[in-house]
Order: sequence, then C-alpha cells, then structure tokens
Amino acid sequence: AQSVTQPDIHITVSEGASLELRCNYSYGATPYLFWYVQSPGQGLQLLLKYFSGDTLVQGIKGFEAEFKRSQSSFNLRKPSVHWSDAAEYFCAVEAGYGGSQGNLIFGKGTKLSVKP
Amino acid sequence: DAGVIQSPRHEVTEMGQEVTLRCKPISGHDYLFWYRQTMMRGLELLIYFNNNVPIDDSGMPEDRFSAKMPNASFSTLKIQPSEPRDSAVYFCASSFPPEGGGTSHTDTQYFGPGTRLTVL
Repeated sequence: AQSVTQPDIHITVSEGASLELRCNYSYGATPYLFWYVQSPGQGLQLLLKYFSGDTLVQGIKGFEAEFKRSQSSFNLRKPSVHWSDAAEYFCAVEAGYGGSQGNLIFGKGTKLSVKP
Repeated sequence: DAGVIQSPRHEVTEMGQEVTLRCKPISGHDYLFWYRQTMMRGLELLIYFNNNVPIDDSGMPEDRFSAKMPNASFSTLKIQPSEPRDSAVYFCASSFPPEGGGTSHTDTQYFGPGTRLTVL
C-alpha cells in the first residue's frame, strides 16, 4: 500500500539558516509527489509538485524539492528560512491508478519553528 | 476567485446531534474532495467527487457519514448522529481535471480553510 513518511515531527531552525524537510514514500509505480504547507488555522497550500521530468522542482516562496527514485525520497529545501515560513509542512503522494485518481496520501507533517 | 469556501468555520455540538458541513468549490473545478484532519491520524481523504458523482468513498469511516454534491457549486458532508470521536478539522478541496484527461494523476488541489468540529 502507498504510504508517506515524514521522519521529523518538529524542526527548529534559525532565521536565515538553510532548511531540509525529509519525505520518504512507498509506491509501486511512478509517483506523483506534492508538498503542501499549512499555516495555523488555515487550509493547505501547494508549494510544489513533481509529476515527471527534471527531478529538481522549484516551487513558490523559494522552496525546491528533489525527487530521488533510488532513495524513494522527495525532500523539501530552502536555502534561507524566513520567520514567515513557520508552519506545518505535508508531503503527499497520489495513488493514481484508475478509479483512485486524486487520492492523496499525506504524511503526518513536520512542524517548522523559526528562531529569530 | 474567492477560493474554496467552507461553512461554518467552527461548529460545536452535542453527541447525537446531526452536523452538516458545507463547501463551495472553485468555479470550473470538476473534482471535489473531503478530508479529515486529526492529531492521531493526520489528514485522511474521506470521499471525492468528479462532475458531482462520488468516485471513491472508501475513506468514509462509517454509515453515520454521508456526502452529497447536488450541483457543481455545492457539496455537503453530514454526520448523523455525531460522536465525540468525530471531533476534527474537516477540509474541502477542489481541482481541475488532470492535464490531458484520463485518470493518470490529479492536478493541484486547492483547500478551503476548514471547519473545526467539536462534538461534546
């Protein structure tokens, strides 16, 4: 069965420092992968997605993610974190077989805190 | 566009009462999704619709839950009777059909702000 693992429940980084959030997936075919961000009391917003092609994907707000098939990973990175990046981040894989199209399997999320 | 609209934003009810959550998707989106978010289980897909037709309801926890989409601009999620373990944040999301059609993958899902449900 498809699954997504985000090993880090909570990460704290200093403002201006680099960030990497880990995501590992389990999926039998070519995965469609997503990173969403959720600010407190808000819905989820798409940061970036990977369907095919270049394995380094650029997203909004200066985020990028790299798909590594050999490691079953899709880690999210940002070179310099801003205080406004404090939020919860969710990695997701789409179970894209026929009738299950659209079924996003989400990881449990990683909460990011930013120190001044 | 105003984005996905959900109402109410907060709902507090007593066990055994009927609860109805409402969602208005983004105009032109053919897909509508209902999710539930809890601390224990994270985000779970409950059901999704394509062109107002339920496609996959395997995530609906039990018969107490039902969802409808009478037209392209409105959907409801109903819980009857409600129980304390139904307390969660319920999200609605919508999306365009996948590029190129077919069933290969989904497009970006746009989420509403959620309804925080508390069942006492």
